[in-house]
Amino acid sequence: SQELEQSPQSLIVQEGKNLTINCTSSKTLYGLYWYKQKYGEGLIFLMMLQKGGEEKSHEKITAKLDEKKQQSSLHITASQPSHAGIYLCGADGNDYKLSFGAGTTVTVRA
Amino acid sequence: GAVVSQHPSRVICKSGTSVKIECRSLDFQATTMFWYRQFPKQSLMLMATSNEGSKATYEQGVEKDKFLINHASLTLSTLTVTSAHPEDSSFYICSAGVVSEQYFGPGTRLTVT
Repeated sequence: SQELEQSPQSLIVQEGKNLTINCTSSKTLYGLYWYKQKYGEGLIFLMMLQKGGEEKSHEKITAKLDEKKQQSSLHITASQPSHAGIYLCGADGNDYKLSFGAGTTVTVRA
Repeated sequence: GAVVSQHPSRVICKSGTSVKIECRSLDFQATTMFWYRQFPKQSLMLMATSNEGSKATYEQGVEKDKFLINHASLTLSTLTVTSAHPEDSSFYICSAGVVSEQYFGPGTRLTVT
């Protein structure tokens, strides 16, 4: 099965500062998905990346896919309290199933 | 976007009893639904893939006789935890759709006492 390692496990950032979360796969990535989860709730889809070098942005969140490195990064610019939560990366291992990383807990301090 | 609901959102049951969790796609038909389990501060672990009209496909290590899955219609899949034990206490999340377009339910917190 595909294993995804996320780093850091958690981070605390001052409001207005930037942050980056990394997701590294043990196998080839056929699709990389970023989700946000609030504790005890479901997952909210953020972005999907499929091609090497692909970069997508939505509001202040940018995600990139480095296919060669089997890695993706999620970058939040000028963080706000609304960005707090658990960020999960998920990968499609070309077997019609998603594998997930352990998640990165983001805390934004005012 | 598409909406997936789960019921109940929280359930407490006694050890040895069975609990049924429902997963519904509210505004679309889902031939495939997925059931995940999530422990505190851990990742979502896929338990099984539920296929409408056929048997569910279970992941390695998941007891199919303990976690009964029924996908009787294109909008409903149910997960029944049979003879629940405290170690079954967890957060169960379902999703519907295909890998590239998967919609997640809000989850069900199961506590077995």
